[in-house]
Amino acid sequence: EIVLTQSPGTLSLSPGERATLSCRASQSVSTTFLAWYQHKPGQAPRLLIYRASSRATGVPHRFSGSGSGTDFTLTISRVEPEDFAVYYCQHYDDSPPTFTFGQGTRLEI
Amino acid sequence: QVQMVQSGAEVKEPGSSVKVSCRASAGTLSSYIINWVRQAPGQGLEWMGRIFPMFGTMNYAQKFQGRVTITADEFTNTVYLELSSLRSEDTAVYYCAREYYDYWSGEYHYYYYMDVWGKGTTVIVSS
Repeated sequence: EIVLTQSPGTLSLSPGERATLSCRASQSVSTTFLAWYQHKPGQAPRLLIYRASSRATGVPHRFSGSGSGTDFTLTISRVEPEDFAVYYCQHYDDSPPTFTFGQGTRLEI
Repeated sequence: QVQMVQSGAEVKEPGSSVKVSCRASAGTLSSYIINWVRQAPGQGLEWMGRIFPMFGTMNYAQKFQGRVTITADEFTNTVYLELSSLRSEDTAVYYCAREYYDYWSGEYHYYYYMDVWGKGTTVIVSS
């Protein structure tokens, strides 16, 4: 079973700063199966990035995803006030079919 | 844009079962892959299982095997999550989410992400 470990647990930044969120897999995974979500309290999670680096429809360009193998990164070039939320990486394994989420990174002011 | 409409909050006693529903506002639900994900208080997202009604396939997280059942009703365009033998640790918000795929050149193409989410159903397990 692949385990996703996100770091840091909490990231404290000011609006306008650059945010770098890490997701490390316990073994090498395909970029095809790696996605990122944003989750705000009381709301449904929102897809940001799929296939490690493809931005979902309507997602601002300040969000970007990168990485390969075991190390993946979500970057917010300049944090906006509405970006403060919890971010999760997600992986799909097809043997057996299973989705796994990282434990999340909280981005706070 | 399709929306996933979930049923209302539930309060259940330990040992009982709960059945949560998820209906698509547009399109044919049987052609969608629907996942169920939950979030317990103060915890992260946890995948429970999925169903692809068109092919009659279901997959469940090992943690919930034997306790969870996901079904689909094509006539009402609704997918259900049933969780049995409830305990306090099952107190959570339960989300349904559509998993995207498309079909072209005679083949299905899967992308392994969830692009449309319901607003969530709160389930409280308490005596």
